[in-house]
Amino acid sequence: QVHLEESGGGVVQPGRSLRLSCVASGFIFSSYAMHWVRQAPGKGLEWVATTSYNGDNKFYGDLVKGRFTISRDNSKNTLFLQMDGLRPEDTAVYFCAREAPPLGEFDYWGQGAPVTVSS
Amino acid sequence: SELTQDPAVSVALGQTVRITCQGDSLREDYASWYKQKPGQAPQVVIYGKNNRPSGIPGRFSGFTSGGTASLTIAGAQAEDEADYYCSSRDSGANLVLFGGGTRLTVL
Repeated sequence: QVHLEESGGGVVQPGRSLRLSCVASGFIFSSYAMHWVRQAPGKGLEWVATTSYNGDNKFYGDLVKGRFTISRDNSKNTLFLQMDGLRPEDTAVYFCAREAPPLGEFDYWGQGAPVTVSS
Repeated sequence: SELTQDPAVSVALGQTVRITCQGDSLREDYASWYKQKPGQAPQVVIYGKNNRPSGIPGRFSGFTSGGTASLTIAGAQAEDEADYYCSSRDSGANLVLFGGGTRLTVL
């Protein structure tokens, strides 16, 4: 069965960096585009970034562009989110999600990794 | 581009409720709906205008036309009480948009 598991969350000071990982299992990871979506405490869903199945194409939400970098290692079935220059407003639970072709819905989600940016 | 949802909607048990999502650049083919309960990851309930993933009850249906997407729950059940988010793509289909979410209360 499909399973996505995030790790790497925690408490970090403003301006510092953090890297999230999402390990996938139960499907051919290298065949699927993947996404990161976040949810601030008590708030709605916010799309963060996406990478194509082979990592060649990447797109970012306006609020993280230039600070966050999405990447993947298909040999290890792992998706990453490198977060630099963190701000208090980046505090959220970060979910990884699989995109299902051809209509692009997010058919599987991880349980989320909490990130708190605070001094 | 933005997707706009009513913040809260309520429905009596067993009645029908419609949750709407408006966006000038809403792409119909990419319209989808997610259900989220507290402390849980979201779950897709409708995708591609009106497709239901396996395991989603038939009382859930979707419709999209002219910049408005709607999710209808016919005969709402207690377990349908949750936050619902619409989603679509930008014109290039590369960027993902989420609505602000609608909290559904089943009375």
